[in-house]
Amino acid sequence: IAGITQAPTSQILAAGRRMTLRCTQDMRHNAMYWYRQDLGLGLRLIHYSNTAGTTGKGEVPDGYSVSRANTDDFPLTLASAVPSQTSVYFCASSNLAGVGDTQYFGPGTRLTVL
Amino acid sequence: GQNIDQPTEMTATEGAIVQINCTYQTSGFNGLFWYQQHAGEAPTFLSYNVLDGLEEKGRFSSFLSRSKGYSYLLLKELQMKDSASYLCAAMDSNYQLIWGAGTKLIIKP
Repeated sequence: IAGITQAPTSQILAAGRRMTLRCTQDMRHNAMYWYRQDLGLGLRLIHYSNTAGTTGKGEVPDGYSVSRANTDDFPLTLASAVPSQTSVYFCASSNLAGVGDTQYFGPGTRLTVL
Repeated sequence: GQNIDQPTEMTATEGAIVQINCTYQTSGFNGLFWYQQHAGEAPTFLSYNVLDGLEEKGRFSSFLSRSKGYSYLLLKELQMKDSASYLCAAMDSNYQLIWGAGTKLIIKP
C-alpha cells in the first residue's frame, strides 16, 4: 500500500441500507478526513479525526458516523442511506491538523443511492 | 460566514498563460491552498501560501494578498494535460479547509 486507499471504488445502494466506506493510509498521518464532492459545490467536510481515538463533526455530518480505532483506518458509515447521499466520497489524511498542513487524498468512492 | 469564490470555467490556448482568481472569507486564516483535480480523479496538491506575495514552482505560480482576501494561480506555457479543475481552499482558525467549487480549465489546441 502506498498513500491512501479507499474501498469500494463505486457502489450502487438501495435506500435504507447500511453502508461502510473504507479508508486506509500507510503514511502514519495523525489526521484524517472524509469529504463529499457534488457537482457545482466545493468539497464539504463530513467528519474528521485529528488523532487516533478522537473524531469531530464537519460541515455536513448528519446521516454519517465515523470511528478511529487506530492510526491507519478511518471508516465512514451511512446507517440508513438516502438518495441525497449520492455523491463522490473522498478520504484524506495529513500529518498534523495545523498551519500549512497539506491534505492528501484517496482515489474516491462513487456512491449512488436509489 | 465562510465563503470561497472562483470562476466556474475558463478556456485558454495551448502554450498561453492563464490566471485563475480566488477570493475568500474565513473565520481566521491560516493559509491558502491550490489543488488540481483531473476528471474522475482525486485532488492533488499544487501550492500553499500563507505570506503575501508570489510563490513560483516551475510552470505554476501562486499569489496571495491577505489584506484583500485574494489569491491567484498562474499557469504558464499551457499544455493539454493542464486541462483539469483547479480548487482553491482557505484554512480557517480551526485548521479546517474551506473549499471553493473549483474552476474547470479547458485548454484548446
